[in-house]
Amino acid sequence: EVQLVESGGGLVQPGASLRLSCAASGFTFNNFPMTWVRQAPGKGLEWVSTISGSGVSTYYAGSVKGRFTISRDNSKNTLYLQMNSLRAEDTAVYYCAKDRTGYYYWGRGTLVTVSS
Amino acid sequence: QSVLTQPPSVSGAPGQRVTISCTGSSSNIGAGYDVHWYQQLPGTAPKLLISGNFNRPSGVPDRFSGSKSGTSASLVITGLQAEDEADYYCQSYDFSLSAWVFGGGTKLTVL
Repeated sequence: EVQLVESGGGLVQPGASLRLSCAASGFTFNNFPMTWVRQAPGKGLEWVSTISGSGVSTYYAGSVKGRFTISRDNSKNTLYLQMNSLRAEDTAVYYCAKDRTGYYYWGRGTLVTVSS
Repeated sequence: QSVLTQPPSVSGAPGQRVTISCTGSSSNIGAGYDVHWYQQLPGTAPKLLISGNFNRPSGVPDRFSGSKSGTSASLVITGLQAEDEADYYCQSYDFSLSAWVFGGGTKLTVL
């Protein structure tokens, strides 16, 4: 059974950093791209970032490029999202999802709140 | 403003048919990129409803169907049921943005 479990969310001040993790199980992790999608409170879904199975190729939404870094540790079956220079508008539930698009498997999400 | 435009809301009575549109442009849907549809119930993660324009993943009732034409796509729900009340999102790829994009979402109300 495929499972994706996010962690690392919390309350941080503007300008701070946070690292999210997504522990994956139930599939051959390094064979699949992985993606972060976020959802601000009461708002729609927003694609954030995608990484290839090898970790060599990464892709970012314009709203986070230069501030967020996606990475993965295939030996630990874990996906990461390093978030720097956080802004109030980054407040959202962050989901990890399996694949580059057409996400069949999602985690339950972790809430990131950026507020002073 | 989302690159993919969806109506903010649609409604229908139980048993009726509703259509949710997703309008894009020549840089996304019109360029031939696949459209996917998701259903999101309150407080839960999205669920993949339609992949690759018209394919239903295992377990999705055949009351849900997807289509694509030109720069637009549609999700049709027939035999509307109370449990279909949810938010629905379309997704595709936009080559001018080099980004995967979602529609703004459509809230379906079952009257």
